[in-house]
Amino acid sequence: RKEVEQDPGPFNVPEGATVAFNCTYSNSASQSFFWYRQDCRKEPKLLMSVYSSGNEDGRFTAQLNRASQYISLLIRDSKLSDSATYLCVVNTDKLIFGTGTRLQVFP
Amino acid sequence: GAGVSQSPSNKVTEKGKDVELRCDPISGHTALYWYRQRLGQGLEFLIYFQGNSAPDKSGLPSDRFSAERTGESVSTLTIQRTQQEDSAVYLCASTYRRESEAFFGQGTRLTVV
Repeated sequence: RKEVEQDPGPFNVPEGATVAFNCTYSNSASQSFFWYRQDCRKEPKLLMSVYSSGNEDGRFTAQLNRASQYISLLIRDSKLSDSATYLCVVNTDKLIFGTGTRLQVFP
Repeated sequence: GAGVSQSPSNKVTEKGKDVELRCDPISGHTALYWYRQRLGQGLEFLIYFQGNSAPDKSGLPSDRFSAERTGESVSTLTIQRTQQEDSAVYLCASTYRRESEAFFGQGTRLTVV
């Protein structure tokens, strides 16, 4: 079983839609969690950290469920500029990246 | 510098040659990672340095790959006797503490011809 698993997508959604991504991790001792965004042919960039209580940054909401070992990312009111690959990242003794979920927002 | 710096940004080399890739982490960051990303694929962990601890080399794909880091400064990733399957973008990232978020350099695009 992979340490971090994500649905590769692609998710094709219209502008204004709400879209949710899930990610599962295998190691219950994992300590910190993040969502990254990667645009085509660019390096990954931090989108947001994920806290146990859940956290929100504008249109983006991240949640962590330690009991079920999954992390989610919700994007509301999708924009064309949200089109990218979203990477789930889990830190146990080192940072492990999921393979990413590709999002394509169309007009 | 303000961010993680990698050099060169692009490297074309002949099969069988050795290459050396360089990473300058953010000043004060204790941890440094190297990842490989093939075209259309996810990030593949290669090696991790944390302070003065022994590096985690569990992701290095073969003994042709090696990396060094002196203290909490520059790291070099060396690939000996390059093969065509080594063609990829090599990404370096650093973190302030073990549990902190990572900041990436822009990567070195390696092409082996």
